[in-house]
Amino acid sequence: GQQLNQSPQSMFIQEGEDVSMNCTSSSIFNTWLWYKQDPGEGPVLLIALYKAGELTSNGRLTAQFGITRKDSFLNISASIPSDVGIYFCAGPPDSWGKLQFGAGTQVVVTP
Amino acid sequence: DGGITQSPKYLFRKEGQNVTLSCEQNLNHDAMYWYRQDPGQGLRLIYYSQIVNDFQKGDIAEGYSVSREKKESFPLTVTSAQKNPTAFYLCASSTNQETQYFGPGTRLLVL
Repeated sequence: GQQLNQSPQSMFIQEGEDVSMNCTSSSIFNTWLWYKQDPGEGPVLLIALYKAGELTSNGRLTAQFGITRKDSFLNISASIPSDVGIYFCAGPPDSWGKLQFGAGTQVVVTP
Repeated sequence: DGGITQSPKYLFRKEGQNVTLSCEQNLNHDAMYWYRQDPGQGLRLIYYSQIVNDFQKGDIAEGYSVSREKKESFPLTVTSAQKNPTAFYLCASSTNQETQYFGPGTRLLVL
C-alpha cells in the first residue's frame, strides 16, 4: 500500500512568518490532496493537485506537485492566528475510494 | 445547504454500553467512510461503504459495526467490545473515488 511521510510533525511559528511542510510517498502519485483541520472540527480540503509540476494557490496557501510525482509541498505565507490547526496530505483514492493520509503537521501560530 | 452532518457533537459512554454515532449527507455521494482520530494523531479508517447495503472493514474495525440502509446515512456503533473508545470520530463521503468531504466530528468520552 501507499506509504506517506509528512514532515515536520509540528511547528511553532510567529505571526507573519512563512511556513513550509512536505509529504513524500513510496510510490508515484497522480493526485495530491491537502486538507486542514481546525481544532475540534473535521478536515477541509484546501488544494487538490493533479499534474506533476503543478503549482496551485488558494489565498496565502500554495501547494506544489513534485516533478518526481513522489512528493508535494504546502507553503503558507504571512501566517495569521487562524492558520492554527493540523494540515494533512493525502494521495489519490484507491479503487475502493480510500485515501491514505499523512500523519499531519500541527501548526501553532504565536502573536 | 449541502453537506455532511454528524451528531451528537459530544457523546458519553458508560462501561459496557453500545453507542451509535450518526452521519448523514445530502451530497448524493455514493461512498461514505468512518475514521477515528486520537489526540495528536492522524486519521485511521474504521469502515467504509461504496454503495447502499454494502460495506467493508477498514484498518481498525474491531469493536465497531456499521450499516448502510440508505444512501444518505452511515451510522457507526461503538460496541462494548471496543476497549478504548475515547477518540474523535470523523465521517466522510465522496463520489466515485473523488476527494472526500468530512463532517464536523463527534467526540466520544467514556464515563
